Amino acid sequence: AQTVTQSQPEMSVQEAETVTLSCTYDTSESDYYLFWYKQPPSRQMILVIRQEAYKQQNATENRFSVNFQKAAKSFSLKISDSQLGDAAMYFCAFMEYGNKLVFGAGTILRVKS
Amino acid sequence: EAQVTQNPRYLITVTGKKLTVTCSQNMNHEYMSWYRQDPGLGLRQIYYSMNVEVTDKGDVPEGYKVSRKEKRNFPLILESPSPNQTSLYFCASSRGGDPTQYFGPGTRLLVL
Repeated sequence: AQTVTQSQPEMSVQEAETVTLSCTYDTSESDYYLFWYKQPPSRQMILVIRQEAYKQQNATENRFSVNFQKAAKSFSLKISDSQLGDAAMYFCAFMEYGNKLVFGAGTILRVKS
Repeated sequence: EAQVTQNPRYLITVTGKKLTVTCSQNMNHEYMSWYRQDPGLGLRQIYYSMNVEVTDKGDVPEGYKVSRKEKRNFPLILESPSPNQTSLYFCASSRGGDPTQYFGPGTRLLVL
């Protein structure tokens, strides 16, 4: 079965600084998708960024970027210029086929002012 | 506005009392899914539907039922809820061929 591991239960970052959240996954397939979702205190699931496995270029969305290492099965999220509004739970998720998402346990990000 | 809606948002019930959580999307999406979120476990898929009248089990289907009679609706039914079904539930939908799923606001269920 596919698994997604987020090894950092909690992370802290100073406002305006950069933080990296880690994620590893396990699969034997070559075609798949990877996602980072943000869950603020409202509990809404918000898509942050998406990466297609066949693309070598790392995805970026404004202050959010990923480091996708396919051979190492690693998919980390970098948040630059952290803002108070970035404080949330972040979930890494993997999709192989059938639109089924497999999620990691999540990382709580705290932003200090 | 394109959205996925869930009702109710909060529900407290007692063991054994049948309940239904509704999910509706206005984006004409083929694919719909239910997940439950528990601390330390992330979100896990309960059931999914690829289209009308097509449903299948996810990773944790025990104690749940679903139906897909209309494209826009995908209700989650708990025939005899138990305390271990206390959780935060999410409905999600996506267009066929597009892997990005859009989530509803969540339903927090407490079974006493």
